[in-house]
Amino acid sequence: GQQVQQSPASLVLQEGENAELQCNFSTSLNSMQWFYQRPGGSLVSLFYNPSGTKHSGRLTSTTVIKERRSSLHISSSQTTDSGTYLCALERSFNKLTFGAGTRLAVCP
Amino acid sequence: EAAVTQSPRNKVAVTGGKVTLSCNQTNNHNNMYWYRQDTGHGLRLIHYSYGAGSTEKGDIPDGYKASRPSQENFSLILELATPSQTSVYFCASGGTGQSSAETLYFGSGTRLTVL
Repeated sequence: GQQVQQSPASLVLQEGENAELQCNFSTSLNSMQWFYQRPGGSLVSLFYNPSGTKHSGRLTSTTVIKERRSSLHISSSQTTDSGTYLCALERSFNKLTFGAGTRLAVCP
Repeated sequence: EAAVTQSPRNKVAVTGGKVTLSCNQTNNHNNMYWYRQDTGHGLRLIHYSYGAGSTEKGDIPDGYKASRPSQENFSLILELATPSQTSVYFCASGGTGQSSAETLYFGSGTRLTVL
């Protein structure tokens, strides 16, 4: 079965609303990463977060290894946040397993 | 910022033909990766490399070969392309070691269609 499951699959927000994206994994891991994929394709690393909480601007990532989950919180969403958010777990030696992603649309 | 360049951006190939996807990075990273992305599957690892001259099989290597002739270049080769290999392919580079996944830098992707 899938080792990494993301939820929700898609989400529509009004600008200014907050969002919580979830990533659950079924195997042990070395680290968890979050990526943003722009409409049109390229991926940008948001967080490398093996455990605990990290902040970057309006984004917060929290990984709880013993509960096998990681979350990405987006506060005060903007239309430019629209795109796909992917989580990926590192099993070993740089080998990442990706979730299927959460497609986010932020409406003005 | 780290730079990873893929070519071509788009490719149409015929079944049974040979396809080579190229990737160049100017980050001096040891590690490079090829992923494919299909709807509903996220990204899946095809091949990766720890440095010039090395290639390793990822999770879905069947039907693909890889070549790492230099630190900067990593190619993905489809010797006999099939329609099931129609996908978007991403190259990435990252890190200087084998012990942990540092931030990965991705190229813009190559959209391959096999007819």
